[in-house]
Amino acid sequence: GAVVSQHPSWVICKSGTSVKIECRSLDFQATTMFWYRQFPKQSLMLMATSNEGSKATYEQGVEKDKFLINHASLTLSTLTVTSAHPEDSSFYICSARELGAETQYFGPGTRLLVL
Amino acid sequence: AQSVTQLDSQVPVFEEAPVELRCNYSSSVSVYLFWYVQYPNQGLQLLLKYLSGSTLVKGINGFEAEFNKSQTSFHLRKPSVHISDTAEYFCAAQTGANNLFFGTGTRLTVIP
Repeated sequence: GAVVSQHPSWVICKSGTSVKIECRSLDFQATTMFWYRQFPKQSLMLMATSNEGSKATYEQGVEKDKFLINHASLTLSTLTVTSAHPEDSSFYICSARELGAETQYFGPGTRLLVL
Repeated sequence: AQSVTQLDSQVPVFEEAPVELRCNYSSSVSVYLFWYVQYPNQGLQLLLKYLSGSTLVKGINGFEAEFNKSQTSFHLRKPSVHISDTAEYFCAAQTGANNLFFGTGTRLTVIP
């Protein structure tokens, strides 16, 4: 149980285009989903927290207009990187948590390369 | 404020030897503690967690960790490592239903 999937697993795009990443909880209802960014050989940096049906809460320094998060259902959250630039290239990981639970379950990550 | 410290950025160890990966945390309130493992180009997999109760927690793949409140530590141990244990290990802390705070990670390399 507690499986989280992400799609796509990797994406290459041109500078200026937008990229959407999906995060799904496959066997549980995720009332809260988290989006992280990880640079090479570094730890995970929390970007934002989203509760189903509510606006996402962004961490300090994360541009909400650039990283659009939608959590419209209990099993799906999406992260859209708008007008991507090479500095947005990174490994993006989502996690999901059930209502009242303490544990986050992580997706396999999406590697984004912006040329 | 919460913080998690993993003092060892890299730990090389020979196959079948024991290993300990250190984790210390700071928090003014009770915390939940987690260890996650990350294999190359993959997400994080939960190894084990401490929420309450017994301070010795057993996880998957033969790993265990001990919560020590007086030393604010949650070190991860395995009595005999395998090549397949080579990965990045992250310690994390959480207060209640709040967010996870991650340490900077420890790269475990098992040498044949």
